[in-house]
Amino acid sequence: EVQLVESGGGLVKPGGSLRLSCAASGFTFSSYSMNWVRQAPGKGLEWVSSISSSSSYIYYADSVKGRFTISRDNAKISLYLQMNSLRAEDTAVYYCARDRDVAVVPVALGHWGQGTLVTVSS
Amino acid sequence: DIQMTQSPSSLSASVGDRVTITCQASQDISDYLNWYQQKPGKAPKLLIYDASDLETGVPSRFSGSGSGTDFTFTISSLQPEDLATYYCQQYDNLPLTFGGGTKVEIK
Repeated sequence: EVQLVESGGGLVKPGGSLRLSCAASGFTFSSYSMNWVRQAPGKGLEWVSSISSSSSYIYYADSVKGRFTISRDNAKISLYLQMNSLRAEDTAVYYCARDRDVAVVPVALGHWGQGTLVTVSS
Repeated sequence: DIQMTQSPSSLSASVGDRVTITCQASQDISDYLNWYQQKPGKAPKLLIYDASDLETGVPSRFSGSGSGTDFTFTISSLQPEDLATYYCQQYDNLPLTFGGGTKVEIK
């Protein structure tokens, strides 16, 4: 069974940093692209970033480009999101999500973690 | 970026009713469209991929159709457990973009 477990969320001041982690199990992690998707309180879904299986291809939403860095460690079966220069509008639940199929670019997000809440407030 | 417009934003229907949600893309996306269900307090779940293919394990009362710019998601017979918000999502171009969601309530 595919399992994705996020951690690292919390309360941070504007301008601060936070690193999210996503521990994966139940599938061959090194074969799949991985993604971060966020959802602001009471709002819809927003794709944040994707990384291909070997980290060769990395993509970001314009809203986080230059501030967030996605990475992965296939040996540790983990996905990360380093978030710097955080703003109030980054407040959201952040989900780790795996593509349904093996692909270089994100297509269909077939498996999701339970999410971790990031609150940016002074 | 490709804009995805969903309608209605919310609806209320009775158990057994047929429910239809539409999603319009701002440009031709072929059939590069998925549908998700998000129950309150839970993560989204993929229901339909490639506009009309049912994800494994998803009940057959859910279906999708369309291509180009206009898409439809249907629940043929609404069940109490279908209380959720439904989202469309395109993958023709990055960034992936989602519709604004349709909240389905049970009368």
